[in-house]
Amino acid sequence: DQQVKQNSPSLSVQEGRISILNCDYTNSMFDYFLWYKKYPAEGPTFLISISSIKDKNEDGRFTVFLNKSAKHLSLHIVPSQPGDSAVYFCAASNTGNQFYFGTGTSLTVIP
Amino acid sequence: DTEVTQTPKHLVMGMTNKKSLKCEQHMGHRAMYWYKQKAKKPPELMFVYSYEKLSINESVPSRFSPECPNSSLLNLHLHALQPEDSALYLCASSTPTGEDSQPQHFGDGTRLSIL
Repeated sequence: DQQVKQNSPSLSVQEGRISILNCDYTNSMFDYFLWYKKYPAEGPTFLISISSIKDKNEDGRFTVFLNKSAKHLSLHIVPSQPGDSAVYFCAASNTGNQFYFGTGTSLTVIP
Repeated sequence: DTEVTQTPKHLVMGMTNKKSLKCEQHMGHRAMYWYKQKAKKPPELMFVYSYEKLSINESVPSRFSPECPNSSLLNLHLHALQPEDSALYLCASSTPTGEDSQPQHFGDGTRLSIL
């Protein structure tokens, strides 16, 4: 059973605009959430994370928002750049060294 | 440059062969992971080592045998694999959860093809 879901398999955005990637989870015990970016032929690269005690974390152009009551997190990229085109995975974990990944969203930023 | 190094990058093997995948990290992480990833799917956890001891085995078939010789190295020994085992095998490392949550860092993976 998929505990972390990304319902949009793909997203296209114009360069300079905002990209919003969404992720839902079912397990209320998750307390740490992450976003990874993956280019073809490479492993996932860590982008940004947030712990459950926060509702927002920002790092440059990337901001992650967490809504615990809705069990929803999102990644905002502003402004989007062509180099941001990749597959984005959200992930969640609780104590126990297990990370659960979503199915990924393929982002295309159009120049 | 990735801080988790996996070798080889590509591997083609027959169903009767024995081979090993290797993973190395020098970040001082004490948790190491093997994942399997099929095309257009999320990484699927196989094994977790915490402080060099196997802590999680996600019901992986015995034809996959993990080994953690020391805190920097993780191997995955392969024997009598099936064509459906063809996939990208990813290694990752992290600070063990419960010690101030930290992200996993991934290698670039080994692309495995079973003939």
